[in-house]
Amino acid sequence: DAGVTQSPTHLIKTRGQQVTLRCSPKSGHDTVSWYQQALGQGPQFIFQYYEEEERQRGNFPDRFSGHQFPNYSSELNVNALLLGDSALYLCASSLDLIGESEGYTFGSGTRLTVV
Amino acid sequence: AQKVTQAQTEISVVEKEDVTLDCVYETRDTTYYLFWYKQPPSGELVFLIRRNSFDEQNEISGRYSWNFQKSTSSFNFTITASQVVDSAVYFCALSEAGASGAGSYQLTFGKGTKLSVIP
Repeated sequence: DAGVTQSPTHLIKTRGQQVTLRCSPKSGHDTVSWYQQALGQGPQFIFQYYEEEERQRGNFPDRFSGHQFPNYSSELNVNALLLGDSALYLCASSLDLIGESEGYTFGSGTRLTVV
Repeated sequence: AQKVTQAQTEISVVEKEDVTLDCVYETRDTTYYLFWYKQPPSGELVFLIRRNSFDEQNEISGRYSWNFQKSTSSFNFTITASQVVDSAVYFCALSEAGASGAGSYQLTFGKGTKLSVIP
């Protein structure tokens, strides 16, 4: 049973460019969340998608946007990249069901470097 | 607002020693979940445990044990007889109960504790 897969694993972009990161959730999961993890910090919640709509959003600017597809996979888009956007971007999937025992399953992340 | 504090930034222990990782949380909710995750160098966050706010029983899983104390808002994690494979960054996290299901919560993480187990 495949877990959460993210692509690409590493990416280098120039300031001002746009980037798209991709995530395929664990089989059977219907909810996808994105987190940003700066070096030496804990992950910070960006947003969550369920039924192809953004359901919750953290304290991130509108430059960060996303999408969820009918097969539950998701994309994270970041426009007008800043040096401070350099981080590990983690995707997590979950099952939106009361009583689900584990919560999130995380992918290995995409390491984005903005130069 | 939710907050998680992991005061220990880095810990080094010699193999076979016991080690406790501290976690203190803040929340105004009466219903919430607490988690511990392990992050090896590969970057993936590995789920270790989830606890809801109504279940204060301590839990043991092999060499791992967790001590949840609501009175002190703490959820500490102990590794007994540490091994080199335990070397990683460990994160404590907190979430409110989601309105539409357990999978709807967002996690608030601490800054993590880097554990190094020396052979």
